[in-house]
Amino acid sequence: DAMVIQNPRYQVTQFGKPVTLSCSQTLNHNVMYWYQQKSSQAPKLLFHYYDKDFNNEADTPDNFQSRRPNTSFCFLDIRSPGLGDAAMYLCATSSPGGPDTQYFGPGTRLTVL
Amino acid sequence: AQSVSQHNHHVILSEAASLELGCNYSYGGTVNLFWYVQYPGQHLQLLLKYFSGDPLVKGIKGFEAEFIKSKFSFNLRKPSVQWSDTAEYFCAVNHHGGSQGNLIFGKGTKLSVKP
Repeated sequence: DAMVIQNPRYQVTQFGKPVTLSCSQTLNHNVMYWYQQKSSQAPKLLFHYYDKDFNNEADTPDNFQSRRPNTSFCFLDIRSPGLGDAAMYLCATSSPGGPDTQYFGPGTRLTVL
Repeated sequence: AQSVSQHNHHVILSEAASLELGCNYSYGGTVNLFWYVQYPGQHLQLLLKYFSGDPLVKGIKGFEAEFIKSKFSFNLRKPSVQWSDTAEYFCAVNHHGGSQGNLIFGKGTKLSVKP
């Protein structure tokens, strides 16, 4: 009954080597989000899609990009990972028509060597 | 800027003890309030939420939270904790009618329950 799926669960990359994290959902929700959560910190919203409408948070670095080819899938691309990008990356979804109740995936833990 | 403060970083309790986790937010308008829980090795799950109406909200697993508007607080409570409540608890807020995605989280409180 997985609803929000993230692959891989653990990702190791090298400094400067592009990496893509994947999220898929079976809830048919319109909205998909990407959060970054560093150790002992709150999840921080990077951006979200409302259908195909992309919304970037003002302080999200240009190094982070996202793609949503269809309702079910959303990707997070990190063009040139730095050591400071090591974190847990959380994908979430929600359905409009009411206040946000977001459904989270298990996260992908990114290590940058 | 909106922010959410959780007062305790780590709380350690014995089973059957009562629990109260503090959460305060800064935002002047009407808000929606949430508590999420993350059990070890699992994803964030919604524990309870407040949108409007009765300020005392009951959630899953015997948890409840009370919205006190005058104190900008939404504290989480449980009368008697169990070992299985060991988890990290996150308070979150977005403003009522706000843009999708504007969910602000606190830093989380880690709860350890000793059997």
